[in-house]
Amino acid sequence: DTAVSQTPKYLVTQMGNDKSIKCEQNLGHDTMYWYKQDSKKFLKIMFSYNNKELIINETVPNRFSPKSPDKAHLNLHINSLELGDSAVYFCASSQVVAGGSEQFFGPGTRLTVL
Amino acid sequence: GENVEQHPSTLSVQEGDSAVIKCTYSDSASNYFPWYKQELGKRPQLIIDIRSNVGEKKDQRIAVTLNKTAKHFSLHITETQPEDSAVYFCAASRNDYKLSFGAGTTVTVRA
Repeated sequence: DTAVSQTPKYLVTQMGNDKSIKCEQNLGHDTMYWYKQDSKKFLKIMFSYNNKELIINETVPNRFSPKSPDKAHLNLHINSLELGDSAVYFCASSQVVAGGSEQFFGPGTRLTVL
Repeated sequence: GENVEQHPSTLSVQEGDSAVIKCTYSDSASNYFPWYKQELGKRPQLIIDIRSNVGEKKDQRIAVTLNKTAKHFSLHITETQPEDSAVYFCAASRNDYKLSFGAGTTVTVRA
């Protein structure tokens, strides 16, 4: 069974469109994340949700709106896509424990904005 | 916020040699330091982590050292093999909800 899954794997779209990426984890974790990995491979946290509540919002444009319908799902909706949004988006999950815990990443969604 | 610097950005080693990657962090309150490996086209995966109450940790051919006073930590890979070729990321965290990653090191193991 896949621990953290994302759909779609690839997304090619025009500037100005709106798109969504879905993420699901079956690990029973209480915390989920969205990361953006740019063309230089830099991994940057965008959002962190704990038990469906937004914990971290790293100065991401308002065009990005995460939604967590339950602990196992964290979706990312992007409005008015721009060229600079092209990147690989990774979802991740962890079971938060004091002192730090492993984050399990999904396979990534490669978004290309034309 | 936390700033993690990672060096070198690329590293080429002969198979069987050792590889060392170094990271520094800025937030003295950081207490968790994981290392992730990302193979080409794949997801990042944890290979080893260390917490601030430990100075060194080893798992087979990989080891991590932490110097809290100097705020730096390092990854050591011994007896490198072709399958060690990947991008390696260090990270630091002061709470349980945010990891700050270094910029990554592309390791190439030459046969």
